[in-house]
Amino acid sequence: RKEVEQDPGPFNVPEGATVAFNCTYSNSASQSFFWYRQDCRKEPKLLMSVYSSGNEDGRFTAQLNRASQYISLLIRDSKLSDSATYLCVVPRLRGNQFYFGTGTSLTVIP
Amino acid sequence: NAGVTQTPKFRVLKTGQSMTLLCAQDMNHEYMYWYRQDPGMGLRLIHYSVGEGTTAKGEVPDGYNVSRLKKQNFLLGLESAAPSQTSVYFCASSYRPPGQGNEKLFFGSGTQLSVL
Repeated sequence: RKEVEQDPGPFNVPEGATVAFNCTYSNSASQSFFWYRQDCRKEPKLLMSVYSSGNEDGRFTAQLNRASQYISLLIRDSKLSDSATYLCVVPRLRGNQFYFGTGTSLTVIP
Repeated sequence: NAGVTQTPKFRVLKTGQSMTLLCAQDMNHEYMYWYRQDPGMGLRLIHYSVGEGTTAKGEVPDGYNVSRLKKQNFLLGLESAAPSQTSVYFCASSYRPPGQGNEKLFFGSGTQLSVL
């Protein structure tokens, strides 16, 4: 099983829609989780951090379900500018590694 | 406010040629990483460093070497490039190590490398 798995999509949604992505992780000892946003041919940039049950920042909400070992990212009132690839990242102290999902592609359609 | 700077941005090599990618950060971070990103594969760790003078292998280290002679610089070398090394390379740095909280990664803008 991969360390981090994401649905690659693509998700094509109309402006104003609500969309949710899930990410599953294999290491039950993981304590922190991240969502990064990556625009085409650009570097990933941190979108949200999740350390406990969840985090909210404006239209974005990240939730953690430890029992089922997944985190989700909810985007409300989608904007055209939200079109990007969203990467789930799970750090692990052992091995000094950050594990990246393959990313979920989102396109918001006018 | 440079953050993480990678050079070059683009490079085309012939099989067997060598090159070095430079990553420089001005945030006094201890932890630095080199990743490659291929379609459908996500970012994979090549090598990393936990401080000046230290390096360690990541998930896909074969064919690459690294050096961290100065805290702010992390160099990635390809001694004899192969077409399988065609990829986008990202350098990243962080203030804290993975798993210890607040371990935000700062990325360079990437290097598109093609090996013919």
